[in-house]
Amino acid sequence: EAQVTQNPRYLITVTGKKLTVTCSQNMNHEYMSWYRQDPGLGLRQIYYSMNVEVTDKGDVPEGYKVSRKEKRNFPLILESPSPNQTSLYFCASSFRPNLAYEQYFGPGTRLTVT
Amino acid sequence: DAKTTQPNSMESNEEEPVHLPCNHSTISGTDYIHWYRQLPSQGPEYVIHGLTSNVNNRMASLAIAEDRKSSTLILHRATLRDAAVYYCILSDVGNTGKLIFGQGTTLQVKP
Repeated sequence: EAQVTQNPRYLITVTGKKLTVTCSQNMNHEYMSWYRQDPGLGLRQIYYSMNVEVTDKGDVPEGYKVSRKEKRNFPLILESPSPNQTSLYFCASSFRPNLAYEQYFGPGTRLTVT
Repeated sequence: DAKTTQPNSMESNEEEPVHLPCNHSTISGTDYIHWYRQLPSQGPEYVIHGLTSNVNNRMASLAIAEDRKSSTLILHRATLRDAAVYYCILSDVGNTGKLIFGQGTTLQVKP
């Protein structure tokens, strides 16, 4: 089954404790991205990757890092989480970054930073 | 990025057709019109997209005005499972792949 998976689905952590949210897709997609969703602000793009070893900042990249060492994986790294990073996070992928292609989203990771 | 305008909420009865409107008066010639939906507690889900001509797929139909300044997502027979937030999104081919989500239309389906 074609899918995007994220782990963990739920995470409660404390300020400053490094964490990684994993994202994996099984569709051989070139393009992957991360969004965060906050009440009243909608979904906003954090980082995206056009292909392996090619990443770039989205609209809200501060406090986040990403890497794309393999085509299927695109982890989101919070080196020193802060309470303002409490949010619902979604990973997405598509065949190409060209928006003629549909994007597939993961089920989401709900992160709480205390 | 061109902007879209959608009603905040709509209601429908189960098994009746639903027409979800979207205005995009500043659309450019290369903008695709995308529709995604987000069911409660789930990630966004692709519904349909098109450029100029009307489009049909197993989930819905997309009717695009001749001047492309508006479009309508048509669910032919609403089910309770179609209750979701529906987002109309414009995008330029060849850009960064970013989807700009607005507030969307919250669709309620009554049994």
